[in-house]
Amino acid sequence: QVQLQESGPGLVKPSQTLSLTCTVSGDSISSGSYYWTWIRQPAGKGLEWIGRVYTSGSTNYNPSLKSRVTISLDTSKNQFSLKLSSVTAADTAVYYCARGDGVPAAPFDYWGQGTLVTVSS
Amino acid sequence: SYVLTQPPSVSVAPGQTARITCGGNDIGSKTVHWYQQKPGQAPVLVVYDDSDRPSGIPERFSGSNSGNTATLTINRVEAGDEADYYCQVWDSSSDHRVFGGGTKLTVL
Repeated sequence: QVQLQESGPGLVKPSQTLSLTCTVSGDSISSGSYYWTWIRQPAGKGLEWIGRVYTSGSTNYNPSLKSRVTISLDTSKNQFSLKLSSVTAADTAVYYCARGDGVPAAPFDYWGQGTLVTVSS
Repeated sequence: SYVLTQPPSVSVAPGQTARITCGGNDIGSKTVHWYQQKPGQAPVLVVYDDSDRPSGIPERFSGSNSGNTATLTINRVEAGDEADYYCQVWDSSSDHRVFGGGTKLTVL
């Protein structure tokens, strides 16, 4: 059974960089064809796709965040990570990692439980 | 960028049928997925590829997609179906994933 678990600081100061890690168990992030993805959800609002890293390491980002986002793989630890720079209060949200299977149009079949990140001084 | 439009809320009595729509330009040419999210929980896939159900999802959940509207249908609605529902597609022109704004299903 595939499991994803987010981890990282729950509080980040404005203008700093938000860094989260998603640890994957039950599957290898470097094998197969998967889209390892970050999604966020501000309190009381909808889901926002942040971006993804493919098994090959190629990335694609939400254009509204592209200038501030980096998503990468760490195959040695079976993890992938999110870095979001120059954060503001608007970046306060629950951040989810998820897996998209096989092809770009595939759904997100496995999700982490989510982690709340608050941006505040 | 591609936009998906959902009604903010849908209300239905127990035992009745709930229909949640997801509108988008020529969405019928895309593959639509639906997620259920209960308070404090991560989203769960309930319908994928327009009309297929993952293992463990009741047959009461079904989907359709044609023209400019995709629809999630929940038959014989139960109190436990009360949740937020999101549609999602892949926009091939930008290689981006897109979510609808979500619909809150209330069971009266």
